[in-house]
Amino acid sequence: QQPVQSPQAVILREGEDAVINCSSSKALYSVHWYRQKHGEAPVFLMILLKGGEQKGHDKISASFNEKKQQSSLYLTASQLSYSGTYFCGTELDAGGTSYGKLTFGQGTILTVHP
Amino acid sequence: GAVVSQHPSWVICKSGTSVKIECRSLDFQATTMFWYRQFPKQSLMLMATSNEGSKATYEQGVEKDKFLINHASLTLSTLTVTSAHPEDSSFYICSAQRGQGFTYNSPLHFGNGTRLTVT
Repeated sequence: QQPVQSPQAVILREGEDAVINCSSSKALYSVHWYRQKHGEAPVFLMILLKGGEQKGHDKISASFNEKKQQSSLYLTASQLSYSGTYFCGTELDAGGTSYGKLTFGQGTILTVHP
Repeated sequence: GAVVSQHPSWVICKSGTSVKIECRSLDFQATTMFWYRQFPKQSLMLMATSNEGSKATYEQGVEKDKFLINHASLTLSTLTVTSAHPEDSSFYICSAQRGQGFTYNSPLHFGNGTRLTVT
């Protein structure tokens, strides 16, 4: 059950904000967010576990809705270093336990221009 | 931070040959590692879960006889692409978590990936 990410691509100028969404048709146990630069390994950004949770560091934050089926990643005052492909990885809720693996969305390509 | 090393970074092989890719957790033990395949500009598709000391768990549609996984120690998992064909050309990435099994509240640490080209 691959989560659906939107938008597929975003182009920004430095200093602008962006929101990337990740949606599932079923309840999730957790949502992970990763950023991957071209030819490199994905790098962990954050995990959300609880419905209604919000967290962040620096100018990147994320939320997990109450139903635990949708998460959003917020990038504020974007920097050139934010460019890359952002993936959400979701873990399905098997009746209160985990399926034990992450399934990744199709990715959102973020490009930040000077 | 946790480091996962993947080797080689790239490999070019002839059709019909086998290729082995190694994934090592350098500063932690991992009873479970994951192997992903990524096509250009596409998502990370989970191929299999590698379990230390036991058989790997393959995702639907992944041929276990073609993609052999061995997880012989707590820090090393290998993926062997047997009798490789051009359609196996792709970017293969491994990942691992600290500790036992998959932990829902712990990040995945990824290797840098292996670009496989089969000619």
